[in-house]
Amino acid sequence: EVQLLDSGGGLVQPGGSLRLSCAVSGFTFSTSGMSWVRQAPGKGLEWVSTISGNGGHTYHADSVKGRFTISRDNSRNTLYMQMTSLRADDTAVYYCAKVHASGWYDGFDFWGQGTLVTVSS
Amino acid sequence: IQLTQSPSSLSASVGDRVTITCRASQVVSSYLAWYQQKPGRAPKLLIYAVSTLQSGVPSRFAGSESGTDFTLTISSLQPEDIATYYCQQLNGYPPWTFGQGTKVEIK
Repeated sequence: EVQLLDSGGGLVQPGGSLRLSCAVSGFTFSTSGMSWVRQAPGKGLEWVSTISGNGGHTYHADSVKGRFTISRDNSRNTLYMQMTSLRADDTAVYYCAKVHASGWYDGFDFWGQGTLVTVSS
Repeated sequence: IQLTQSPSSLSASVGDRVTITCRASQVVSSYLAWYQQKPGRAPKLLIYAVSTLQSGVPSRFAGSESGTDFTLTISSLQPEDIATYYCQQLNGYPPWTFGQGTKVEIK
């Protein structure tokens, strides 16, 4: 059974940092692209970042570029998102998601339960 | 690439045919997916590659395209289909944008 377990969210002050984690099981992590998607309270979905299976290729939305870094540890079956210089508009539920097994362009077939990040003083 | 969904919300009766449209600002080839999100839950993939049904998804859901317009159809609305639906384009390298969502309610 495929499982993705998001963690690491919490309350942080503006300008602060936080690291999210996503522990996975039930599939071959090292060959699977992974992504982070966020959802601000009452708003729609926003793609944030994607990383290839071997970690050699990473992509970030313009809204987080230079502040957030996606990474992975294939030996630990864990995806990360290092977030720095956090702003109020980064407040959201952050979901990790697995790129579809059938192909890089086929969407996200499994999702974590989400972890809430609140940026506030 | 911008995705514009319409309508932003709709109300329909059980058994009705429901159609949601997603218009892309540029060609996205066949790299278009649809998700269902129920309140307080993570999104769930329904359809990928425009019209391929994800495993386990009921056959009353279907996707189609006409140029840069994409359509999600629920052939017979069920009470458990109450949710917000999002399209996503995955054309080329990221960013892979989402539409703004369509909320479906029961009349």
